[in-house]
Amino acid sequence: KNEVEQSPQNLTAQEGEFITINCSYSVGISALHWLQQHPGGGIVSLFMLSSGKKKHGRLIATINIQEKHSSLHITASHPRDSAVYICAVRSPGFRETSGSRLTFGEGTQLTVNP
Amino acid sequence: DGGITQSPKYLFRKEGQNVTLSCEQNLNHDAMYWYRQDPGQGLRLIYYSQIVNDFQKGDIAEGYSVSREKKESFPLTVTSAQKNPTAFYLCASSIPDHLGPLHFGNGTRLTVT
Repeated sequence: KNEVEQSPQNLTAQEGEFITINCSYSVGISALHWLQQHPGGGIVSLFMLSSGKKKHGRLIATINIQEKHSSLHITASHPRDSAVYICAVRSPGFRETSGSRLTFGEGTQLTVNP
Repeated sequence: DGGITQSPKYLFRKEGQNVTLSCEQNLNHDAMYWYRQDPGQGLRLIYYSQIVNDFQKGDIAEGYSVSREKKESFPLTVTSAQKNPTAFYLCASSIPDHLGPLHFGNGTRLTVT
């Protein structure tokens, strides 16, 4: 079982729909990142959160530390939101000198049709 | 504007040749990372550096080498010892110990035939 699981793997929506992408993890974490990867391959950091909820424009990220679960919501989705959304968790490193480590989910491919 | 520049975007090499991927940042970040992305898998850490002149192996360092002679630069060499080098390579930077958001370059797609 992967340490970070995302669902769904693929998601197709119509423009205007409310979108939810889920991320579950099995390790103790200190923070969780949501990233967006564009079709060209470049990755942009959307959110970094350790508790509660953050909002930026039409994007909302929530995290429940006790349930080890985070969600990324997109309101009023638009074709330009089509991308791969990646969840990554920050947890203690496995070597004394390595500090923290990031573990990445496999990503959710979102397609928003006009 | 600050950012990370990776070059080239596409790279083709013959099997048995070493190849170096460039990564330059002007964000004044101490920490830099190299990741490999393969279809159906999450990003995997190859090497990272928390400070100039120091770097550490990540989860899949075999067949790769790096240097960190300048704060701005963290080149990755894919050696002929890497058994399956064809992949998408991403460079990233942040403040140390992942305490801030990651900033990524646009990636280099390496094809070895």
